[in-house]
Amino acid sequence: EPEVTQTPSHQVTQMGQEVILRCVPISNHLYFYWYRQILGQKVEFLVSFYNNEISEKSEIFDDQFSVERPDGSNFTLKIRSTKLEDSAMYFCASSEDGTSGANVLTFGAGSRLTVL
Amino acid sequence: GQNIDQPTEMTATEGAIVQINCTYQTSGFNGLFWYQQHAGEAPTFLSYNVLDGLEEKGRFSSFLSRSKGYSYLLLKELQMKDSASYLCAVMDSNYQLIWGAGTKLIIKP
Repeated sequence: EPEVTQTPSHQVTQMGQEVILRCVPISNHLYFYWYRQILGQKVEFLVSFYNNEISEKSEIFDDQFSVERPDGSNFTLKIRSTKLEDSAMYFCASSEDGTSGANVLTFGAGSRLTVL
Repeated sequence: GQNIDQPTEMTATEGAIVQINCTYQTSGFNGLFWYQQHAGEAPTFLSYNVLDGLEEKGRFSSFLSRSKGYSYLLLKELQMKDSASYLCAVMDSNYQLIWGAGTKLIIKP
């Protein structure tokens, strides 16, 4: 079964450092997403991406964050100058059709970011 | 504002039936999803409802009433592996998923 692949599975970084989280979405999917989940809290939407540009972003997704699709397979989330409160599990997801109600997201296993 | 409410935690016995409720208030409605999330893992898709009524899929069923802004997930013949968090999510008029905080289901032998 096709899956979304995320690397690294766990990253520990110092406050103020830059982090890049990588994702390989399912190959025939056109819509890509980043979500985060702080330990014990709800899943929070960060950003959606379609046709090589951001289609939606949340209030969380400020200038500290950026996304990129550097080639035909990877989808990255960059977090500049990390803060303690950025510690969370970051999930990448992809879907076939982001404009359909039956838009089933397939999630990657997540990248756990710990900021010290 | 947009809001999804579901109980924080529920406990049930192996072999029994449990119903997890979800109420929502969103700007528009394009369907309601239930996802299962085991601790430390990614959410996985369980069900999708867009029309009123019951959708059955094996041991799991999901019900929707759009007029009441209400859904439930029904799990039958509970197994220990069903211990997980169950996330209710609604797709709003902008096709954005609004997530509930999840219901942690604890199964006891």
